[in-house]
Amino acid sequence: AQSVTQLDSQVPVFEEAPVELRCNYSSSVSVYLFWYVQYPNQGLQLLLKYLSGSTLVKGINGFEAEFNKSQTSFHLRKPSVHISDTAEYFCAVTLPMDSSYKLIFGSGTRLLVRP
Amino acid sequence: DTGVSQDPRHKITKRGQNVTFRCDPISEHNRLYWYRQTLGQGPEFLTYFQNEAQLEKSRLLSDRFSAERPKGSFSTLEIQRTEQGDSAMYLCASSLGGPNNEQFFGPGTRLTVL
Repeated sequence: AQSVTQLDSQVPVFEEAPVELRCNYSSSVSVYLFWYVQYPNQGLQLLLKYLSGSTLVKGINGFEAEFNKSQTSFHLRKPSVHISDTAEYFCAVTLPMDSSYKLIFGSGTRLLVRP
Repeated sequence: DTGVSQDPRHKITKRGQNVTFRCDPISEHNRLYWYRQTLGQGPEFLTYFQNEAQLEKSRLLSDRFSAERPKGSFSTLEIQRTEQGDSAMYLCASSLGGPNNEQFFGPGTRLTVL
C-alpha cells in the first residue's frame, strides 16, 4: 500500500528565511506527487504537482519541489517566506494506474512564519 | 464564485442523530470526491463519483454512511446514528478526472458529535 510521511508536524521560521518541508512516500509502483496548502477556514489549494518530466517543479507563491526517485522524496522549498505563508501544508500521492485518482495525504506540516 | 461549496460549514449534533451534508461541485466537473480529515491528520479518501455513479468506497465508509449524487450534479453525504468518532472535517472535491486535472476542494463541513 502507498503511504506518505511528513516527519515535521510544525516548522517555525522567521520571515524572509528559507524553508524546506519534507515529504517521503512509500510505493512499489510509480506515483504522481502533489503539495497542497490549507489556510485557516479555507479549502485545500494545489501548490504544485509532479507527473513526469523535469524533477524540479515550480508552483504558485514562489514554492518549488524536487522529485527524488532514489530517495522517494518530494520536499517543498521556498527561498524566502512571508508571514502570509503561515498555513498547513500537505503532501499527497496518487497512482497513475488507479483510475480513481484519489489522493493519499500525509499528516501535514504546519508552517509558522514569525516576524 | 464558481468554486466548490459545502453546506453547512459547521454542524453540532448529539450522538445517535442523523446528519446530512451537501456539496456543490464546479459545474463542468464530472468527478466528485469526499474526504474526511480528523484533527492533526491529513484528509482520508471516503468515496468518489463519476457523474452520478459511485465508483469506489473506502473501508472507512461504514454502513452508517451513504453518499449520493443524483443527476451528476450536487452530492450529499449522510451519516446515520452518529458516534463521537465521526467528529471530523468532511471535505468535498471535484475535478474533470485524470491526474492532470486538479482536484478543487471546498471549505469543508466540520462535524462535532456530542
